[in-house]
Amino acid sequence: EDKVVQSPLSLVVHEGDTVTLNCSYEVTNFRSLLWYKQEKKAPTFLFMLTSSGIEKKSGRLSSILDKKELSSILNITATQTGDSAIYLCAVVGRAGAGNMLTFGGGTRLMVKP
Amino acid sequence: EAGVTQFPSHSVIEKGQTVTLRCDPISGHDNLYWYRRVMGKEIKFLLHFVKESKQDESGMPNNRFLAERTGGTYSTLKVQPAELEDSGVYFCASSRRTDFSGNTIYFGEGSWLTVV
Repeated sequence: EDKVVQSPLSLVVHEGDTVTLNCSYEVTNFRSLLWYKQEKKAPTFLFMLTSSGIEKKSGRLSSILDKKELSSILNITATQTGDSAIYLCAVVGRAGAGNMLTFGGGTRLMVKP
Repeated sequence: EAGVTQFPSHSVIEKGQTVTLRCDPISGHDNLYWYRRVMGKEIKFLLHFVKESKQDESGMPNNRFLAERTGGTYSTLKVQPAELEDSGVYFCASSRRTDFSGNTIYFGEGSWLTVV
């Protein structure tokens, strides 16, 4: 069975700190790894990673995939209170005629002023 | 463009009762997915529709859960009879393609179900 594990489970930091969130996976027929941010309800898309070693950046957020280690990290620099959310990692694997999205348990980040 | 909408947003029912959750995908999206997150656990896949057909229902936990998508538009997920362990958030998502990339899957805000 496909498996995605995120760490830490939760994190409390102060504004301005840098955080690193981890995601490791065991997935058959890996296709891509996705990061989502879930603030109140609907998860919103952050990044999609398919190639190892290529960093994706969006403002203060960046992410990189290591296919050898079957893992990814999400970095947030100069954190702000608005970064407080649950960060979800999901892996797309090939299943039958289509793709399957397997989620990790999420990392709950709280940024204090 | 309207997003994926789900109804109800919250529901509290007694054990043994029936609840029906509804999902309206983005117009034109043939692929519709149901996921759920029960307390303290990760979001798990339930099933996948392509138009009105069930492409994959391997994640459905048991026969108390019935999903339909008549006409290939909106979908319903019925839980009958509901048990305490069914409490959680039920997410619906839709995409235009089956072979999706991350930014083409759109999630609804979820239906929070509490069974007491």
